[in-house]
Amino acid sequence: NAGVTQTPKFQVLKTGQSMTLQCAQDMNHEYMSWYRQDPGMGLRLIHYSVGAGITDQGEVPNGYNVSRSTTEDFPLRLLSAAPSQTSVYFCASTLAGGGYNEQFFGPGTRLTVL
Amino acid sequence: EDKVVQSPLSLVVHEGDTVTLNCSYEVTNFRSLLWYKQEKKAPTFLFMLTSSGIEKKSGRLSSILDKKELFSILNITATQTGDSAVYLCAVKTSYDKVIFGPGTSLSVIP
Repeated sequence: NAGVTQTPKFQVLKTGQSMTLQCAQDMNHEYMSWYRQDPGMGLRLIHYSVGAGITDQGEVPNGYNVSRSTTEDFPLRLLSAAPSQTSVYFCASTLAGGGYNEQFFGPGTRLTVL
Repeated sequence: EDKVVQSPLSLVVHEGDTVTLNCSYEVTNFRSLLWYKQEKKAPTFLFMLTSSGIEKKSGRLSSILDKKELFSILNITATQTGDSAVYLCAVKTSYDKVIFGPGTSLSVIP
């Protein structure tokens, strides 16, 4: 198993550009989520999904869109990048089951918006 | 509003010291509490706690949960420089939502 994979590892954008961060898992996990991590802020939940076709907002959803058309993939879209979105982004997945399962993280994407 | 608080936010100790990291929480529909260690990459899983009073141990690390007082502690004995990292506490709810605390940055100096 590859686990949770994320692409790209690094990205530099200009303000106003759009892009998609990719996340995929091959563990047949139902629950997937996106976090951003900023210095001193811990991990903040952006969006999450409890299964294909179902998504919901987390703590800091503004400026981001998600969709979940398959169990394996959970892309995160930045519609119009802003410098405030400079951060490290982590995707995670877990076998849904009422909150009792370990969460697996991808390696992260470091995004810089100029 | 769901929240997870960790203390201290940073800590510097000497090798061989014992440290205790604290995590308190206020969430609806609590299901489990998780501890992660993060060095310069993605967090790595340490422990998951679901029941009060049952200590989980892994080598020099141990953790315990108090669901009545809504907190958990992570103990590291005989610290080593390799323990230097950010330690993250997270709480999962019955809806599989995960809320993270801000982390405790631990530096172990020789």
